[in-house]
Amino acid sequence: DAGITQSPRYKITETGRQVTLMCHQTWSHSYMFWYRQDLGHGLRLIYYSAAADITDKGEVPDGYVVSRSKTENFPLTLESATRSQTSVYFCASSKGGTSNEQFFGPGTRLTVL
Amino acid sequence: TQLLKQSPQFLSIQEGENLTVYCNSSSVFSSLQWYRQEPGEGPVLLVTVVTGGEVKKLKRLTFQFGDARKDSSLHITAAQPGDTGLYLCAKETSGSRLTFGEGTQLTVNP
Repeated sequence: DAGITQSPRYKITETGRQVTLMCHQTWSHSYMFWYRQDLGHGLRLIYYSAAADITDKGEVPDGYVVSRSKTENFPLTLESATRSQTSVYFCASSKGGTSNEQFFGPGTRLTVL
Repeated sequence: TQLLKQSPQFLSIQEGENLTVYCNSSSVFSSLQWYRQEPGEGPVLLVTVVTGGEVKKLKRLTFQFGDARKDSSLHITAAQPGDTGLYLCAKETSGSRLTFGEGTQLTVNP
C-alpha cells in the first residue's frame, strides 16, 4: 500500500533554475492537486487535475506548470524559480464523486536561493 | 483570499485541559472537513460534516456543524501531547477542490 509519494523531499535551488517536483499515487484516483503551504497563508491550491490530460489553474498558478500524461503521476514544474516560491509543496489525490476526502503526500520542502 | 477564518491561530495548553477551535465563513458550506497535520507530514482527514447542526465524535474530539452551515467547531476534551498539530478546516468548492483555512496550531504541553 504505497499510497501517495513525493520526490524529492528536500530541494535547494537557485533563482532562475527550472525545478520539477514529482508526485505519484497508487490508488488510480481521478483527481490530483498541488498546494503550497506558507506561514500565514495555510494551504493554497496551485493546480489541479480531474483526470489524465485534464488540468486547471488553482488560486496561485503563476510561475508553475503541470502535466498529467498518466493517471498516477502529476509533476509540478517551476520554470524559472524565484525566492518567493520557497515553500513546502504538497501533492494530494482524491477519488472524486461523492468522496472528496483528499489524501496528501509527505511534502517537498523547496528553498530557492 | 481566505474564505475560511480559523481561530485562534495559535493555542498552547497544558495536558488535561479542554479547548475549542473555530472555523467560520460568510457563505454556506455544502460540507466541511477537518484535517490534522503533524510536523513534517501532510494533512490527514479527521471528519467530514454535511448536515446543519450535525455533531460527530471521534474519541475525545467533538466536531459540530452550525445550524446555518456557515461555521464549525472542534472541541478536544482532556488534551494530550499527541493532539499537538495543525488543525485545518476545509470547504468543498467546485470540481472536488477544497479551500482551506489558515489553520490552528495547537501545542499540548506535558
